[in-house]
Amino acid sequence: DTAVSQTPKYLVTQMGNDKSIKCEQNLGHDTMYWYKQDSKKFLKIMFSYNNKELIINETVPNRFSPKSPDKAHLNLHINSLELGDSAVYFCASSLLSGSSTDTQYFGPGTRLTVL
Amino acid sequence: DQQVKQNSPSLSVQEGRISILNCDYTNSMFDYFLWYKKYPAEGPTFLISISSIKDKNEDGRFTVFLNKSAKHLSLHIVPSQPGDSAVYFCAASAFNTDKLIFGTGTRLQVFP
Repeated sequence: DTAVSQTPKYLVTQMGNDKSIKCEQNLGHDTMYWYKQDSKKFLKIMFSYNNKELIINETVPNRFSPKSPDKAHLNLHINSLELGDSAVYFCASSLLSGSSTDTQYFGPGTRLTVL
Repeated sequence: DQQVKQNSPSLSVQEGRISILNCDYTNSMFDYFLWYKKYPAEGPTFLISISSIKDKNEDGRFTVFLNKSAKHLSLHIVPSQPGDSAVYFCAASAFNTDKLIFGTGTRLQVFP
């Protein structure tokens, strides 16, 4: 019974295309996140949402737009894909927002390859 | 600006021995530190954490030590088991924020 799930697991696409990655959590958490792990293995936060409201928005190009239809889902839409967008994208969730001690649970990741 | 650093990209340890993974940080505002473990093709999973008011936290075979003056923390695994083979990420956050800053990870291999 998967706690945080992402689809698709792999995504290969051409430069300039628009793509979406979906994330769902069944933990009843209020907060969800998107992280990016680049080729140098840096795992960096991109966004966080608390109960459908944007909380953290790091320095991410406007081509990236998170959408939260409800608190159990946080999708990531990427417009005009570039080579540098190739990375593994992880979704995560936690019970609370703004709590440093609250455990974040990660999904399995989506490996995006832009050709 | 890499605020959390794991300078050893890999570590190889014999089964039954102690594994020591190190992490350094630069931001003095960090007050909560975590270790995550990651297997291939899976997301990171929480392992153990420590608050800045402590210098040690233990959970079974896993112990995290924090040296605030040196801005250094370490994860000790004893005894190491083959199932511990994974990538270990150190992470830190500041008070009242859930923004985690991760290191680049250390790949631990435990061999028989």
